[in-house]
Amino acid sequence: DQQVKQNSPSLSVQEGRISILNCDYTNSMFDYFLWYKKYPAEGPTFLISISSIKDKNEDGRFTVFLNKSAKHLSLHIVPSQPGDSAVYFCAALRGDSSYKLIFGSGTRLLVRP
Amino acid sequence: NAGVTQTPKFRILKIGQSMTLQCTQDMNHNYMYWYRQDPGMGLKLIYYSVGAGITDKGEVPNGYNVSRSTTEDFPLRLELAAPSQTSVYFCASTRGEGAGNTIYFGEGSWLTVV
Repeated sequence: DQQVKQNSPSLSVQEGRISILNCDYTNSMFDYFLWYKKYPAEGPTFLISISSIKDKNEDGRFTVFLNKSAKHLSLHIVPSQPGDSAVYFCAALRGDSSYKLIFGSGTRLLVRP
Repeated sequence: NAGVTQTPKFRILKIGQSMTLQCTQDMNHNYMYWYRQDPGMGLKLIYYSVGAGITDKGEVPNGYNVSRSTTEDFPLRLELAAPSQTSVYFCASTRGEGAGNTIYFGEGSWLTVV
């Protein structure tokens, strides 16, 4: 039973345009949601997070939106750059769960020059 | 800064062999984790530890064992390797506070069982 789902395995966008990556979850007890970026042959690196008590968090070109009623979050990258091409994982955790991350299956983003 | 270091980076095992994936972190983190990532899938938690001497099972613990004798080290033992254990393994650690943004991952260990 997947608690965190990324239904789009891949996304291709033009450089300079907006990239929108989506994530759905089923467990209403999650306290935090995180996005990780992963390049080939490397470990995941933290990108941005949002607390369940907020609906938006922004960091430079990256913004995460949380819609708790729909159990949906999205990552917006504006403007997209070729260096953003990577696999993006959505993850969630409960603050009382020893910080165990529950991951989605990932979305491969390709930003075309 | 070394961060989270995993060895080996690549390994080929024969069915039935055993091996240990090493993980060490130099950030004095209490929490450590082992994940595996299969092709096209997200990371699944194998085992985790909240401190030296304490370990617990994650989502997919079968076929693995761990120990945590020191804060720095969290080795993952594969006993009687099977083709289903062909995967990429990631070790991670965190101090255990905040929004989880301080969860650091190693670079991964690619394991093939033939």
